Amino acid sequence: AQSVTQLDSHVSVSEGTPVLLRCNYSSSYSPSLFWYVQHPNKGLQLLLKYTSAATLVKGINGFEAEFKKSETSFHLTKPSAHMSDAAEYFCVVSDRGGYNKLIFGAGTRLAVHP
Amino acid sequence: DVKVTQSSRYLVKRTGEKVFLECVQDMDHENMFWYRQDPGLGLRLIYFSYDVKMKEKGDIPEGYSVSREKKERFSLILESASTNQTSMYLCASRVSTGNYEQYFGPGTRLTVT
Repeated sequence: AQSVTQLDSHVSVSEGTPVLLRCNYSSSYSPSLFWYVQHPNKGLQLLLKYTSAATLVKGINGFEAEFKKSETSFHLTKPSAHMSDAAEYFCVVSDRGGYNKLIFGAGTRLAVHP
Repeated sequence: DVKVTQSSRYLVKRTGEKVFLECVQDMDHENMFWYRQDPGLGLRLIYFSYDVKMKEKGDIPEGYSVSREKKERFSLILESASTNQTSMYLCASRVSTGNYEQYFGPGTRLTVT
């Protein structure tokens, strides 16, 4: 069965410094992987997705993620944090067993300090 | 832009009441989903519907039911609300069963007292 583990529940960075949010997955299939972001009191928004094309995926707002099959990882990075990046981030794997349901990680809350 | 709307942002109900949460999408999507979001647990799938009048149980369907009479509308029903159903409820829709993006509504924060 597919599963997702987000290795940090909270990450705190200073504005202008790099962001790294870590995600490991478990999948019996070649997975489709996503990162979603949720700003306070807002719905979830797709940041980026990997669907077996290029292993380095670029998303919105300067975020990118690299699919590493050997490490079963899909870490999210951004070179320089902005105050507006403060939000909760979810790593998600698609369950190809049926209907391509999404399986969510527990989330990582990113705080950005001036 | 795809728009998914939910009938209420905040809802307070009493234990034992029947609760209806409504979700409407405007992009003619076949698939619709209901999740609940709890701190430290991420999003968990309650029910989904792959077409009108079709429904499938998700991972935590107990205590919930759903209705999809029209393509654009997907309702979540709590037959007899309990305090452990206090949560954030999120609705989503998607164009098909492929690996396509799900579009989410803003959520309904339900408190059961």
